[in-house]
This record gives sequence, C-alpha cells and structure tokens, in this order.
Amino acid sequence: KAGVTQTPRYLIKTRGQQVTLSCSPISGHRSVSWYQQTPGQGLQFLFEYFSETQRNKGNFPGRFSGRQFSNSRSEMNVSTLELGDSALYLCASHQGGDGYTFGSGTRLTVV
Amino acid sequence: KNEVEQSPQNLTAQEGEFITINCSYSVGISALHWLQQHPGGGIVSLFMLSSGKKKHGRLIATINIQEKHSSLHITASHPRDSAVYICTIKAAGNKLTFGGGTRVLVKP
Repeated sequence: KAGVTQTPRYLIKTRGQQVTLSCSPISGHRSVSWYQQTPGQGLQFLFEYFSETQRNKGNFPGRFSGRQFSNSRSEMNVSTLELGDSALYLCASHQGGDGYTFGSGTRLTVV
Repeated sequence: KNEVEQSPQNLTAQEGEFITINCSYSVGISALHWLQQHPGGGIVSLFMLSSGKKKHGRLIATINIQEKHSSLHITASHPRDSAVYICTIKAAGNKLTFGGGTRVLVKP
C-alpha cells in the first residue's frame, strides 16, 4: 500500500509569510501526527489528529495550527514565519496498535 | 532532565562489530519505538515495544518496563546501518517524546 505522502518536499519562505504543509496518510489510517526537527532541538511533537479532531498538542505557539479532513489528509499551517521555524517537518500516520509510518518530510527554509 | 535519554550520542564501529544503543526514560509509557533516520531525513520505524524483546533481521530490541530501559542491538554491523537511531516513548496523552538520537557510523 502507498506510504505517507508529504508535500511539498522543499519550501523557501520569507519571514512574516505563512505556509501550509500537507500530509496524506496510509489508506485506512485515521491518526496523523506532526513533528518538527531542528538541529538544536531535535524532534519535537507538534500535534496529533484523529478523525478530524485534534487529540493532542505539543508546546508550540499558536502560530502553528493544523487540521484534518474527512479523508484523513492533514494540513499544518504556520503563520507569521520566523527564522527559527526553519526545520524539517515530518508527519506520521498510525492506526491502533500499528507502528508509526513517517513521510519523507517537508524541509522549510525561512529567509 | 529530558524524559528520554539515549547513550551514546555517537558511535563508530568497524563492519561486523556488535553495536548496542541504550535508552532510559523517566515516565510511565504505553509503548517505546526505535526509529532509524538516514541522511536526507527519512525516518523508518524499526520496532514498537511494550514488553520483552523483538528481533528483525540483524536488529534486536529489548525493553525492561520495571527499570524504564530499552536497548537496540545491531549484530554483524554493516556500513548501510550508518544512520541516526532515535528512541521514542509514547506516554500519557498519546504524544511521542523523542530521545536525542545516537549517530552510528559503521566503517568498512
């Protein structure tokens, strides 16, 4: 079955702009979670969605938001971008007792 | 103190050597995951453990719930095992908390 698809793979944005990243989970998986990876902080949990509801949220400012659609696809949005938001953003899909399957990530550079 | 501590941070081995990576955590968990990340960023989930031991090919993962400790072993290491290995716990609230990773380099 197809894996987790994240788009776009690479993105360059200017400070102050906003960005939307997309994640399509494995077919049949209803849980999608998002993570930020930076050299300084490592991997950090952003939020998790299940059946269109945010189930959990990490310690990130309100500029970071997300949503999930009825087909389980998820988007995350970062508004008023800062230089420190430059990172690899990963999503993972999971279901029940299955392990997590990660997408290839979106590498965001804020200039 | 981080909830998840890994050791060592870096490890260099010769091809064929036995490698062990350790992970200690400080909270109750429902599961522990070992992840592998290659240069370029792609992450692969190697194991999900809630008790005991799992084996897949040359990789073995163990967990001791009472001691809050897990180990990942790589037998007969190969240069293609060079990657960052990340221990991740699933605690209350279902969110994942990550260790800092162990960078493994296997030299031919």
